[in-house]
Amino acid sequence: NAGVTQTPKFQVLKTGQSMTLQCAQDMNHNSMYWYRQDPGMGLRLIYYSASEGTTDKGEVPNGYNVSRLNKREFSLRLESAAPSQTSVYFCASSDEPDSLGNQPQHFGDGTRLSIL
Amino acid sequence: DAKTTQPTSMDCAEGRAANLPCNHSTISGNEYVYWYRQIHSQGPQYIIHGLKNNETNEMASLIITEDRKSSTLILPHATLRDTAVYYCIVRRYNTNAGKSTFGDGTTLTVKP
Repeated sequence: NAGVTQTPKFQVLKTGQSMTLQCAQDMNHNSMYWYRQDPGMGLRLIYYSASEGTTDKGEVPNGYNVSRLNKREFSLRLESAAPSQTSVYFCASSDEPDSLGNQPQHFGDGTRLSIL
Repeated sequence: DAKTTQPTSMDCAEGRAANLPCNHSTISGNEYVYWYRQIHSQGPQYIIHGLKNNETNEMASLIITEDRKSSTLILPHATLRDTAVYYCIVRRYNTNAGKSTFGDGTTLTVKP
């Protein structure tokens, strides 16, 4: 039972390079999310997708694009990487809210991205 | 969604109960309290959630005050593996989880 899988686990880029972070979930969840976590800080939401074909901006979307390729996959793209985007990136997914409106999130193990 | 306030750090002796407080004084009636934890270098892990009643599962207990303005996560017999950052989040009923945010959390250190 893989849950949420992120690739790659580590990546080093040069300033200006582009990169796509991949995320896939096998729990048939409708909603998927991308967060970044800078050293010593909490998670900040970049983008999320409430269902296949829809995406919405989160708290810190600038410099990123996303694609909800299908129900399983949600990718995050850095078109022109900057040192300020050095961070750990987490993908998460969640099911539809249950009858009580609850919606726990399930997280991947992250992609550690360094931009020189 | 209401904001939450947590202490920056706490220590706990191994085998003792760890009580992690969270203040959410602006919580509204249709908002739930969720707790997650993040063990070093891993993705956050869901622990428990509740509305107004106390809740218990295999990982922890959640005590919510009667006025719902604060809550306490209890790890009944803390182990060294419970050392982690614990996040308290408030989320409105039936609102997509993407509309709530993680704060800086409480770093719990369990000591031998």
